[in-house]
Amino acid sequence: QQQVKQSPQSLIVQKGGISIINCAYENTAFDYFPWYQQFPGKGPALLIAIRPDVSEKKEGRFTISFNKSAKQFSLHIMDSQPGDSATYFCAALGTGANSKLTFGKGITLSVRP
Amino acid sequence: DSGVTQTPKHLITATGQRVTLRCSPRSGDLSVYWYQQSLDQGLQFLIQYYNGEERAKGNILERFSAQQFPDLHSELNLSSLELGDSALYFCASSIPRVASGQETQYFGPGTRLLVL
Repeated sequence: QQQVKQSPQSLIVQKGGISIINCAYENTAFDYFPWYQQFPGKGPALLIAIRPDVSEKKEGRFTISFNKSAKQFSLHIMDSQPGDSATYFCAALGTGANSKLTFGKGITLSVRP
Repeated sequence: DSGVTQTPKHLITATGQRVTLRCSPRSGDLSVYWYQQSLDQGLQFLIQYYNGEERAKGNILERFSAQQFPDLHSELNLSSLELGDSALYFCASSIPRVASGQETQYFGPGTRLLVL
C-alpha cells in the first residue's frame, strides 16, 4: 500500500514556466511533509518542508501549498530553470520517536531551455 | 556535500555473493537510515538505527542485515545476492527529532550495486 502518491510521473516545462508537482497522502497521523530534490548520481537533499498547521510556505522560487482536508500538498517551482531538472520526492513523517519518512515514488522534472 | 559518507561508491559482484556497505553519519547525528533505490520501486526505506540500536524496520529482506557501531558508523550487509538486488543504496543520518523539532535526513552519495 503506497501511503504517499505523487503525480504526474514526469514533467517537462519550458524555462521560465511554473512546475507543479502534486502529492497525496493517506495517513492522517503524518505531521511533517518535506520535499527532496535529487540530481543524477547524488543522494536526495531536503528542499523545503511544511507542517499541517500552515497552508503555504515559500522559500525563494519554491513554494509548498498544503490542503489538510484533502490530504494533499504540492510543490510549485516558479521561473523554472534548466538547473532545476532533477527528480523530486515528496515525503511524509508521522509523530512519535519511531516514525519514519515515507517517500513518494518521485517524479522527473525536465526544464527545457 | 551532506556530511554523510558512504563506501564503496560502486560495487560489482555475482549472484550468491555477500557484500558490506559502509556509512559514516554526519558528526553528531545519532540516527542512521538505509534506503534502497531502484527504477521501479523508488526510494524504499530498509532500516533505521538510533545510537546503536535498531529503531524501525521497513521493507528489508531477511537476507539483508545492518548494524550501527559505538562510533555511530553503520554497515549494511547483503547476502545471497540476486539480480534484483541491483540498485542504489543510500544511507541517511539525522539528529534526534526531539532535539531538532523536525526531521531532516541528510543523504550520502550512495553505493551503486550491480549483481551479475
